[in-house]
This record gives sequence, structure tokens and C-alpha cells, in this order.
Amino acid sequence: AQSVSQHNHHVILSEAASLELGCNYSYGGTVNLFWYVQYPGQHLQLLLKYFSGDPLVKGIKGFEAEFIKSKFSFNLRKPSVQWSDTAEYFCAVNAGFKTIFGAGTRLFVKA
Amino acid sequence: EPEVTQTPSHQVTQMGQEVILRCVPISNHLYFYWYRQILGQKVEFLVSFYNNEISEKSEIFDDQFSVERPDGSNFTLKIRSTKLEDSAMYFCASSESPGQGVRDTQYFGPGTRLTVL
Repeated sequence: AQSVSQHNHHVILSEAASLELGCNYSYGGTVNLFWYVQYPGQHLQLLLKYFSGDPLVKGIKGFEAEFIKSKFSFNLRKPSVQWSDTAEYFCAVNAGFKTIFGAGTRLFVKA
Repeated sequence: EPEVTQTPSHQVTQMGQEVILRCVPISNHLYFYWYRQILGQKVEFLVSFYNNEISEKSEIFDDQFSVERPDGSNFTLKIRSTKLEDSAMYFCASSESPGQGVRDTQYFGPGTRLTVL
């Protein structure tokens, strides 16, 4: 069955700390992978996406993600977080006519 | 940058009432989707729509739900007889195509928060 697993439900970091959010997927076809962010009270915004080519993908606001096919993983990273990165982060895989989301990781960055 | 819009932003209704949630997809997109997010839970796929037909639907999308493209710009989700458990944020999305390429990114609207009392 198609699924997306996010390893951490809640993460608390201090400003300037490094971030890595884990994501593993299960899907038999060609994968398109995404990370979305949802800031408090706002809608889903696309952070970055992977379709093909370089497995290291750079997105907006200094985020990047690495697709490791052998591990079925697409982990999100940021070298130095800011208070404004406080949000919920969703990993997702495009499966034909639908997008399957992970459960989300709530990130809280302490100023 | 073009974006998906949704109205209303909040809808409060009584149990058993019908509601219609409206979406205006990005103008050159051909594929449309509805998702919902119950408070504190993950975003769940409801239905996809192309060429005036449902392409795929989840088990959540039962007979009380229907979708329609009544004109060239709007895409609607109707819930015929709302239940308490329908309370959620409903997101509309659209894409140029549904496949596996760059054009297939789904762009999401801001959502409609539905509260059923």
C-alpha cells in the first residue's frame, strides 16, 4: 500500500540549530516527492519537490532534501533554523491522481 | 504567481445541512482535487477530477459527497447532509496534469474550515 511515514511528530530546537526531519515512503511506481510547510493559521505551501535528476533538491528559505532511493527516504534539512521556521512540515508522495501525505512534524524553534 | 483560491474561508453549519465549498483552480490547470485535514490529523485525499469526471476517489468520499465544475472556473465540493465528523479543513488543489513530471505538482488553496454543530 502507498504510504508516507514521518519519524518525528514534534521537534523542538533552538535558533541556529540544524534540522533534519525524516521521511520514508512506500510506493511502487516512479516517485515524485514533496515537502510542504504549514505555518500557524496558514495554508499548505510547497517547500521543495523532487521529480528526477540530482537527488539533492534545494527549496525555498534555505531548506533542502535528499532523495535516497535505496532507503526510500526523502529527508528534509536546514543547516540553521530560525524562529520563523516554526510550523508543521508534511512529506508527501505523488501517486498518480492523488498526493499521499505523511502525518506531519510540528517544529517549534525557540528564540 | 497564480494561485488556487477557495471560498468561504470559514463555514459553520448545522448537522444535516448541505454545504457547498467553492474553489477556483489555476486557470490553465486541468486536474482538480479535494483533500481534507481533520484537526490534529494528516491531510487526506478525497477525490480527483478531470474532464468532468471523477478520476479517483478515496473511501472517505462516499455518497454524501459530490464534486462539480459548474462553469469554466469554479470547482465545487458538496456535502449533502453534514455530520459532526465532517468538521475539518478542506483543501482544493489543481495541477496541469496528474502524471510524474514537473507539470504535475499540485498547488493547494488556502482551505475552507468547516465546522458542523
